[in-house]
Amino acid sequence: RKEVEQDPGPFNVPEGATVAFNCTYSNSASQSFFWYRQDCRKEPKLLMSVYSSGNEDGRFTAQLNRASQYISLLIRDSKLSDSATYLCVGRVISNFGNEKLTFGTGTRLTIIP
Amino acid sequence: GAVVSQHPSWVICKSGTSVKIECRSLDFQATTMFWYRQFPKQSLMLMATSNEGSKATYEQGVEKDKFLINHASLTLSTLTVTSAHPEDSSFYICSAEDREGNQPQHFGDGTRLSIL
Repeated sequence: RKEVEQDPGPFNVPEGATVAFNCTYSNSASQSFFWYRQDCRKEPKLLMSVYSSGNEDGRFTAQLNRASQYISLLIRDSKLSDSATYLCVGRVISNFGNEKLTFGTGTRLTIIP
Repeated sequence: GAVVSQHPSWVICKSGTSVKIECRSLDFQATTMFWYRQFPKQSLMLMATSNEGSKATYEQGVEKDKFLINHASLTLSTLTVTSAHPEDSSFYICSAEDREGNQPQHFGDGTRLSIL
């Protein structure tokens, strides 16, 4: 079983719609989580951190449920520029302070005009 | 914000050639850098963790003699793919850990390697 699992999609969504992605993780030692965005043939870029209390950044809302080991991302009023692959990422920091990120396969989103 | 520069961005070369990729942290010191590989439609897979002044730590299944990593300074790590073959063709991305900042890692632009 992969440490971080996502539905690969693709999700084809009309402009202006709301879309939600989910992600599950198996490593309970993961201390923090992030959503990254990756455009085709580009490096991943941090979209937002994910907290248990839920956090919002403009049209984006992220939520972490530690009991269910589940992470979500909600995009409201989707724009054409939101088309990308969204990566769910878990982070573990060892006792020595070393960091390791584990990436999901990503969920491909295409916003249709 | 913190910037990581990766060079070259694209390499096409013949089978058997060795290819060196550089990763630089431009405005912060990175004691730890990471090298990832991403095949089409797959996730980023960590290849190795590079620590300044010491040997890199390789993930299981990654050949250390094939993928040579050098992290000689606090701002530069290099990955050399030795005697590259077509199956080594991939997107290689480096990142650097900025322990002063809040972002987990800062990523370079990536290097697309194509071996003919």
